[in-house]
Amino acid sequence: GAVVSQHPSWVICKSGTSVKIECRSLDFQATTMFWYRQFPKQSLMLMATSNEGSKATYEQGVEKDKFLINHASLTLSTLTVTSAHPEDSSFYICSAQGGQGGYNEQFFGPGTRLTVL
Amino acid sequence: QKEVEQNSGPLSVPEGAIASLNCTYSDRGSQSFFWYRQYSGKSPELIMFIYSNGDKEDGRFTAQLNKASQYVSLLIRDSQPSDSATYLCAVNTNAGKSTFGDGTTLTVKP
Repeated sequence: GAVVSQHPSWVICKSGTSVKIECRSLDFQATTMFWYRQFPKQSLMLMATSNEGSKATYEQGVEKDKFLINHASLTLSTLTVTSAHPEDSSFYICSAQGGQGGYNEQFFGPGTRLTVL
Repeated sequence: QKEVEQNSGPLSVPEGAIASLNCTYSDRGSQSFFWYRQYSGKSPELIMFIYSNGDKEDGRFTAQLNKASQYVSLLIRDSQPSDSATYLCAVNTNAGKSTFGDGTTLTVKP
């Protein structure tokens, strides 16, 4: 149980285009999902907290107009990187909070590696 | 002071030894504590969680929690080369939000 999927697993795009990343909790309902970014050899950086049916809460320094988050259902959250630039190239990881443990543990998706040319 | 601090590492142990990973946290209201393992190029995976003072064992892994000292640790017995990874400590408050440490990189040498 507690499986989280992400799609796509990797994407290469041209500068200026937008990229959408999907995060799904496959076997449980997640009221809260998180989006992280991780640069090589650095720690996880929380970008935003996504609650089903409400606006996402962004961490300080993260542009909400650039990183659009939609949490349309209890099993799906999407992150859209708008007008992507090379500096947005990173490993984007989502996590879903929930499952049967009941201790608010997070289960991570496999990540999406974004390369902007 | 960071909210969650881990030994920066890297930590290197020989195969078969015990690896000890440490984590301290600043928020006394923290309720639950997690250890994640992250292999290079992969996303984190949950290894263990603990919420009561004392020890919690799962196979070769033991999590230890001391709320008075605001300290949580992870012991890996009989370390294997496959245990080589970065280990992340995460702490949850009542609000349910996790704060992660920067991680400790462990290398187990054959």
